[in-house]
Amino acid sequence: GNSVTQMEGPVTLSEEAFLTINCTYTATGYPSLFWYVQYPGEGLQLLLKATKADDKGSNKGFEATYRKETTSFHLEKGSVQVSDSAVYFCALIGTASKLTFGTGTRLQVTL
Amino acid sequence: EPEVTQTPSHQVTQMGQEVILRCVPISNHLYFYWYRQILGQKVEFLVSFYNNEISEKSEIFDDQFSVERPDGSNFTLKIRSTKLEDSAMYFCASSPQGGSYEQYFGPGTRLTVT
Repeated sequence: GNSVTQMEGPVTLSEEAFLTINCTYTATGYPSLFWYVQYPGEGLQLLLKATKADDKGSNKGFEATYRKETTSFHLEKGSVQVSDSAVYFCALIGTASKLTFGTGTRLQVTL
Repeated sequence: EPEVTQTPSHQVTQMGQEVILRCVPISNHLYFYWYRQILGQKVEFLVSFYNNEISEKSEIFDDQFSVERPDGSNFTLKIRSTKLEDSAMYFCASSPQGGSYEQYFGPGTRLTVT
């Protein structure tokens, strides 16, 4: 079946540092890939998506590129802010329309 | 901006009781979903619903669970005879299309079974 593996957290960074959160996946066919973010006390918000190989999703300074050859969809941001502190979930949709999530990675950004 | 809403935000119930979790999806969306997240674990798919019937369900979604769209706006998840292990955050999501289209999530209902 489908699965998503994310790097373990928490990730602690100083403001303006570079962020990478690794995500790899296992799926049959050509899944669509997503990053969702969960801010404290809130629900899951779609951050970005990519639907085919070599697509780059981007939003709010975050980027992720769909790499089929390495089955990866790593999340990056050049300069994090305290307001980016949240839990980030990598997810995929395969042949069925259900999302398969990774375990989530908590990001803590400090001044 | 339209959003998915869920009520209540927190529900406490005794083991063996029935609970109904309510969701109002985004108004022009046609596909509806329930997911749950047990504390410290992954978000897991429970069920998808389209055209007034279940499209797909996971192995978690056994006979104690049911879903319903009782009117044009609400989408409910009923858990009969709750168990301690049903304690989790339950998320509703909706999507204008099926397949690989993105899903929009509500804020969740935290269910605590005592």
